[in-house]
Amino acid sequence: EAGVAQSPRYKIIEKRQSVAFWCNPISGHATLYWYQQILGQGPKLLIQFQNNGVVDDSQLPKDRFSAERLKGVDSTLKIQPAKLEDSAVYLCASSLGGGGPQYFGPGTRLTVT
Amino acid sequence: AQSVTQPDIHITVSEGASLELRCNYSYGATPYLFWYVQSPGQGLQLLLKYFSGDTLVQGIKGFEAEFKRSQSSFNLRKPSVHWSDAAEYFCAVGVRRDDKIIFGKGTRLHILP
Repeated sequence: EAGVAQSPRYKIIEKRQSVAFWCNPISGHATLYWYQQILGQGPKLLIQFQNNGVVDDSQLPKDRFSAERLKGVDSTLKIQPAKLEDSAVYLCASSLGGGGPQYFGPGTRLTVT
Repeated sequence: AQSVTQPDIHITVSEGASLELRCNYSYGATPYLFWYVQSPGQGLQLLLKYFSGDTLVQGIKGFEAEFKRSQSSFNLRKPSVHWSDAAEYFCAVGVRRDDKIIFGKGTRLHILP
């Protein structure tokens, strides 16, 4: 069974530029999550989707971050404009739901200079 | 509110020695509990999970964890560590109502040759 796919794996941009990340969850997983993991910390939930609807985006900085999951399968996370403090690893995860285990992709390491 | 505490930020053990990583949680009902491992530059990999039943759960890579309700703990153990076990370990509690996982801040494991 294929795992969670993410691309790109690495991205370096200058501040004020825009960037987009892509995630394809495990087939059949209705719930999809985006996390931000700053160096030395645990993952912080940015947004949670159930199928193509947003369940929780309370921690998403909506002035610069946006995410969509239009067809209820793959998802994109965008940052525009980027700030230095956005440098982090962005992790995508999916699950069957019900508080069960989440399965993570390899992440995208973003460096903002 | 739900929370997870991992009291040790860093742990160093010699190769071949036994390991125990501590985890305490706060949750109002019977929790779902997880341990994840993150190697450098990688996403999070599920080591093991507890949903119900036998309080001693076996995971991958020779790890096990024991759920102790009276102590609100879910400590991770391995009888003999290998150099490849050097990584960051995250304990997490699943919140079924919200279909979320709350992560601890992680414990970084160092292995001495």
